[in-house]
Amino acid sequence: AQSVTQLGSHVSVSEGALVLLRCNYSSSVPPYLFWYVQYPNQGLQLLLKYTSAATLVKGINGFEAEFKKSETSFHLTKPSAHMSDAAEYFCAVSEGSGGYNKLIFGAGTRLAVHP
Amino acid sequence: ETGVTQTPRHLVMGMTNKKSLKCEQHLGHNAMYWYKQSAKKPLELMFVYSLEERVENNSVPSRFSPECPNSSHLFLHLHTLQPEDSALYLCASSQVTGSSGNTIYFGEGSWLTVV
Repeated sequence: AQSVTQLGSHVSVSEGALVLLRCNYSSSVPPYLFWYVQYPNQGLQLLLKYTSAATLVKGINGFEAEFKKSETSFHLTKPSAHMSDAAEYFCAVSEGSGGYNKLIFGAGTRLAVHP
Repeated sequence: ETGVTQTPRHLVMGMTNKKSLKCEQHLGHNAMYWYKQSAKKPLELMFVYSLEERVENNSVPSRFSPECPNSSHLFLHLHTLQPEDSALYLCASSQVTGSSGNTIYFGEGSWLTVV
């Protein structure tokens, strides 16, 4: 079965600093990988996804992630944090069957951005 | 209108009540999902409907009963719930195409409190 591990349930950075949120996956087949963001009192919004095209994936709001098969990782980065980036971030792997998706989520990482 | 709309946004119910959560998607998708998000567990997939047929039921207690009358609407009927069922219930939708890389779109969720 596929699984996702997010290292660090809480990450705190200064405004303008690099954001690095870690995600490692376990999959027996080439995976489809996703990063979602959840702002307070809202649902999940897709940031970006990897679907076996380019290994460096660019998403919304200046985020990007790099798929590294040798490390089974899909870490999320942003060069310069904004206060508005404070949210919870979820990494997920798709376990598809019959054409629909089953997203298996990590536990999430809460990002705090301080002035 | 947003892509996936959930009502009500907040619900408080007693353990002997019967209530329903409603979800409507305006994206033309043909797969719909219920996820549960509670404070101490990762996002859990509850049910999947693909082409209006239930294709996944992840060992969900029978006090939760889903209904999908058409590809645009999804309900979660609730009866005799327990306090530990208090959580955010997220509805989502995607297109069934044979690919596991399709994006799943989430609603803003329904906050359920069982008293």
